[in-house]
Amino acid sequence: LAKTTQPISMDSYEGQEVNITCSHNNIATNDYITWYQQFPSQGPRFIIQGYKTKVTNEVASLFIPADRKSSTLSLPRVSLSDTAVYYCLVGSSGAGTALIFGKGTTLSVSS
Amino acid sequence: EAGVAQSPRYKIIEKRQSVAFWCNPISGHATLYWYQQILGQGPKLLIQFQNNGVVDDSQLPKDRFSAERLKGVDSTLKIQPAKLEDSAVYLCASSLDPTAQYFGPGTRLTVL
Repeated sequence: LAKTTQPISMDSYEGQEVNITCSHNNIATNDYITWYQQFPSQGPRFIIQGYKTKVTNEVASLFIPADRKSSTLSLPRVSLSDTAVYYCLVGSSGAGTALIFGKGTTLSVSS
Repeated sequence: EAGVAQSPRYKIIEKRQSVAFWCNPISGHATLYWYQQILGQGPKLLIQFQNNGVVDDSQLPKDRFSAERLKGVDSTLKIQPAKLEDSAVYLCASSLDPTAQYFGPGTRLTVL
């Protein structure tokens, strides 16, 4: 199973764009890249998923270069409510495939 | 659409006691997961069910933890006897696709 490496923590101010990069050098051909967000006292929440190039939804954008060995989660114009832990995971949809969560990136947004 | 439901939300027990957690997944989700999340760490998979069959329980401490998913819907996770190091949040998740899991609010267990 591919492992991921991401910064332990990041700080930002309201209104700024935040980019969190994740390294996954051993990603397999069938693996997707998925990001989850977790607020204190809540379970993780799926926010975005991609395979290659760029994916955008109402919450974030996900940029994946051609070699797929890294990915960048982009949060536009963050607010205080974006303070959370963000997890980057890689895995496939195959039966029996388990996602492995690392420690994630703790994003702190200040006013 | 209703989310994943878990109960209780909080539980405090003494070591060597037993405890059980309940999970009701999103309707139609065949795959159900139990995770343990220790403070400051990411969730760790304990067991994965596909309908009512176990797909992966390699990280479940089977001498004290057990889980079942009767009729392929609700699931219970039991710890007997509990140890101090079992203090954690126990998360249930369900999915149609393993890469996109939906988590419940979790049960915070404190073992004294």
